Amino acid sequence: AQSVTQLDSHVSVSEGTPVLLRCNYSSSYSPSLFWYVQHPNKGLQLLLKYTSAATLVKGINGFEAEFKKSETSFHLTKPSAHMSDAAEYFCVVSGLAGGTSYGKLTFGQGTILTVHP
Amino acid sequence: DTGVSQDPRHKITKRGQNVTFRCDPISEHNRLYWYRQTLGQGPEFLTYFQNEAQLEKSRLLSDRFSAERPKGSFSTLEIQRTEQGDSAMYLCASSLVGVGVQPQHFGDGTRLSIL
Repeated sequence: AQSVTQLDSHVSVSEGTPVLLRCNYSSSYSPSLFWYVQHPNKGLQLLLKYTSAATLVKGINGFEAEFKKSETSFHLTKPSAHMSDAAEYFCVVSGLAGGTSYGKLTFGQGTILTVHP
Repeated sequence: DTGVSQDPRHKITKRGQNVTFRCDPISEHNRLYWYRQTLGQGPEFLTYFQNEAQLEKSRLLSDRFSAERPKGSFSTLEIQRTEQGDSAMYLCASSLVGVGVQPQHFGDGTRLSIL
């Protein structure tokens, strides 16, 4: 079984300040982890993915995430928030089942990021 | 690459009616997934296809729900005898088959409202 816990349902930052969105995962297998972003009434856009290569993963729009196996965490960060970053962010885990990589995704509950001018 | 396309974007219907949604995946993608997202929640997996074969269905997919991908290209999701609890955003995603887990690319979804 696999699961994801996003530790904050809402995060509020000022424009130009750092962003930290926290995620802990649980997986019976070596996990693949993703962060997706969703703007209102839109689908999900992939920000970045971790698939057992480098533990520090760089994504689009200046976001990055660090995989820490000892802490079972995959927190998303950005050095300087922009107004356009305001959206909902989902931490997602996918694993291997029976040796077949079918990629079923398990989503966290989401973190709504608000950016103040 | 035109991305994943879903139609319609919005559907309003009365309880008890049948509805059908369509998803056109990215053309070279052979895996197609359906998810449901209710307000304030993350998406939940419903079912997935590899080419035309439906390989897994979630327990969320009651017998009122049926999905098809007849030619391994577009897919349809039908809900019969809709209920209030079916109100949600229905998301489609597609991916390639490859080594390891391939990222899924999502459409903008179909928002279903049951009156």
